Amino acid sequence: GAGVSQSPSNKVTEKGKDVELRCDPISGHTALYWYRQSLGQGLEFLIYFQGNSAPDKSGLPSDRFSAERTGGSVSTLTIQRTQQEDSAVYLCASSRQGTNGYTFGSGTRLTVV
Amino acid sequence: SQQGEEDPQALSIQEGENATMNCSYKTSINNLQWYRQNSGRGLVHLILIRSNEREKHSGRLRVTLDTSKKSSSLLITASRAADTASYFCATDSAAGGTSYGKLTFGQGTILTVHP
Repeated sequence: GAGVSQSPSNKVTEKGKDVELRCDPISGHTALYWYRQSLGQGLEFLIYFQGNSAPDKSGLPSDRFSAERTGGSVSTLTIQRTQQEDSAVYLCASSRQGTNGYTFGSGTRLTVV
Repeated sequence: SQQGEEDPQALSIQEGENATMNCSYKTSINNLQWYRQNSGRGLVHLILIRSNEREKHSGRLRVTLDTSKKSSSLLITASRAADTASYFCATDSAAGGTSYGKLTFGQGTILTVHP
């Protein structure tokens, strides 16, 4: 596609439920990143994919968070047993080789009630 | 630890004035990038400056980098109301071997340009 597409754009979920966030990067971009932005804060790195593998998942906050990428394209970020502190905007970005800046998606605003 | 820290946290100016935002960082870098964010959603890449560069221009944007002071500044000249947004610096750290583009973002500067 022309840009990085994320879905859903907004998600309200009850505490304890699982959620799945989707990112569709720009075609041909091998590097994909997930970041999280809490209200009024900067971006917090979660995980990096090169192709389908995740050489750096050091930013995932807990074992409730997992992510995968298939076909070197679409990635899903799954949060199990959501907590209120998981409420944030989850941003996905992709780049060709990670050296010339990212293209970000519009994010998924997750609200856990 | 906080890698990129911007100041000021908030800046309010009149249309036509220049806006200067600063960023400091702690570790050696491969490059430093500036991004803009409107309405708390997706970020837009503005400009990238490599560690061996000192100044870069793009339209009304001018970025400087001083690696000895571990600092960078973003200057927006002749600001417009449409420049109102949050601006973030992000560093691609040189530590730990080959860079793969992982960025560390600062907290951002909220710029308001009044018509």
